[in-house]
Amino acid sequence: DTEVTQTPKHLVMGMTNKKSLKCEQHMGHRAMYWYKQKAKKPPELMFVYSYEKLSINESVPSRFSPECPNSSLLNLHLHALQPEDSALYLCASSQITGQKNTEAFFGQGTRLTVV
Amino acid sequence: TQLLEQSPQFLSIQEGENLTVYCNSSSVFSSLQWYRQEPGEGPVLLVTVVTGGEVKKLKRLTFQFGDARKDSSLHITAAQPGDTGLYLCAGAFLGYGGSQGNLIFGKGTKLSVKP
Repeated sequence: DTEVTQTPKHLVMGMTNKKSLKCEQHMGHRAMYWYKQKAKKPPELMFVYSYEKLSINESVPSRFSPECPNSSLLNLHLHALQPEDSALYLCASSQITGQKNTEAFFGQGTRLTVV
Repeated sequence: TQLLEQSPQFLSIQEGENLTVYCNSSSVFSSLQWYRQEPGEGPVLLVTVVTGGEVKKLKRLTFQFGDARKDSSLHITAAQPGDTGLYLCAGAFLGYGGSQGNLIFGKGTKLSVKP
């Protein structure tokens, strides 16, 4: 099973709304990631969790709040977003094996539209 | 800052033609992945290369990793319309983000194969 499941697939929210994106994997991966992808651009890293602890925040605005409740789940809480935050939000996971890097598996993404 | 240069950005060819996509960096990769992405979907992992000089084949796709682990190529033989999509290379660099090495993406190559 190499599946990373993201919900919802599509989300439309107003600028005053609070919503959450969810991501789940059952591959035993201990690194999980949030990426943001704008149209015609490559994915850009937002956050990394290692062993359920936030290890990297790529200077993401505080209106994006990640959470890793356990080793299988990753959430992204959204509050007071701007229209320019509209994008495809991708979750990924990978093994952590010391100095050897392993491939990341991506979910199908959540298409977010902020109105 | 590690940069990953991917070329060409766009490629439009006829069915049956061969093509090569390149991925280059001034830094050494600990590993490199090639992904294919359909519009509105998450990237799907095609291959991971780790060892300098490594060659991997996936049906009509051949992936090479440079001896110095700074560059990689994807060669498609006898392209089919089903090969149409966005091809992304993504490199993991030791020391960036800890031992698991987070991915830096190239800008992608948008391939269109016409029947």
